Amino acid sequence: AQSVTQLDSQVPVFEEAPVELRCNYSSSVSVYLFWYVQYPNQGLQLLLKYLSGSTLVKGINGFEAEFNKSQTSFHLRKPSVHISDTAEYFCAVKLNDYKLSFGAGTTVTVRA
Amino acid sequence: DSGVTQTPKHLITATGQRVTLRCSPRSGDLSVYWYQQSLDQGLQFLIQYYNGEERAKGNILERFSAQQFPDLHSELNLSSLELGDSALYFCASSVGHQLEVFFGQGTRLTVV
Repeated sequence: AQSVTQLDSQVPVFEEAPVELRCNYSSSVSVYLFWYVQYPNQGLQLLLKYLSGSTLVKGINGFEAEFNKSQTSFHLRKPSVHISDTAEYFCAVKLNDYKLSFGAGTTVTVRA
Repeated sequence: DSGVTQTPKHLITATGQRVTLRCSPRSGDLSVYWYQQSLDQGLQFLIQYYNGEERAKGNILERFSAQQFPDLHSELNLSSLELGDSALYFCASSVGHQLEVFFGQGTRLTVV
């Protein structure tokens, strides 16, 4: 079985400050890892994905994430956030043809 | 725009009723997934279809059913609706099993 834990439910951050959203997963086999963003009243949009290869992956809107197999983590980072980054962020794991399993989400609120 | 189309966007119905949510996947995508998003349960996987066949089942109630048609569009049928079924229902699609999943904008169901 696989599960996803997002360690922070709410992350307030000031504009132009860095942000890190933590995600840990549990799986006994290799998984595919994703971060999605959900803006208010919208669907989920893929930010970035790790399928294989380099453990540092870059996504859209200046986000990046690092896959750490030994710590079973896939933390999301952005060096400088904007007001428009205010949204809910979901970490997700996928095992081969199994379903995409989501974490509980982290609400990021960017303040001026 | 992810290319996944869901209709209707909003639906208000009474308890005990039955509704059908419709999803058109991205052109060429064979897999369709249904998710339910509610405040208390988060994002829950309901069911997956691949090229017309049920592939995986998640936390889908017996009152709910789905199908994928030969043209690959999918419908989620919710019957004997209860207040607790009020949620955002997402459809998503992917080319195959291992690749990234694209989400529609969702159907917001309100049961009164």
